[in-house]
Amino acid sequence: EADIYQTPRYLVIGTGKKITLECSQTMGHDKMYWYQQDPGMELHLIHYSYGVNSTEKGDLSSESTVSRIRTEHFPLTLESARPSHTSQYLCASSASRGSEQFFGPGTRLTVL
Amino acid sequence: AQSVTQLGSHVSVSEGALVLLRCNYSSSVPPYLFWYVQYPNQGLQLLLKYTSAATLVKGINGFEAEFKKSETSFHLTKPSAHMSDAAEYFCAVSDPGGSYIPTFGRGTSLIVHP
Repeated sequence: EADIYQTPRYLVIGTGKKITLECSQTMGHDKMYWYQQDPGMELHLIHYSYGVNSTEKGDLSSESTVSRIRTEHFPLTLESARPSHTSQYLCASSASRGSEQFFGPGTRLTVL
Repeated sequence: AQSVTQLGSHVSVSEGALVLLRCNYSSSVPPYLFWYVQYPNQGLQLLLKYTSAATLVKGINGFEAEFKKSETSFHLTKPSAHMSDAAEYFCAVSDPGGSYIPTFGRGTSLIVHP
């Protein structure tokens, strides 16, 4: 079944730790995105990719990095987590520019 | 630059009543417009989209939205609310002439009373 997956679903870590949030999709989409979501706020675009070996920063500087080595995989890495990184992180994909996005279930991150 | 305004962070209705969630946008060109729904502990799911075809768009779960260019609006409606409609609703706009990456509103939480 075509879908988009995120792991872990919940993560509690200490300040200064390095973490990677995983995102995979089985729909064959070229476009993938990472968003940060906080209650009552817009979704903020952190990073996006239009294809393998193509990554761009979004409008929110979150001190994170991404990679796109395979079409289906788009992990997000925080080199040194801080309490300000506490949030929900959503991964999404789309078939083409302008088409609807398909979202994963999200990773809720808490940094102590 | 494009922007989206969703009026009302919370909307409360009784079961069976009309649902109206408001969305106004700003865009320099005719946009693509989307409504998404988010249930607790889940990602966003597409309800419906407008991409310059019919101005009245029908979506899933009985929802529909009308694109009004003169009012720069794309309000979401449903004739009769169900308890299962309680969720967070997001309006989004993308610029076909630009990067296509959508801009999202802050969301409206729909509360349905029995």
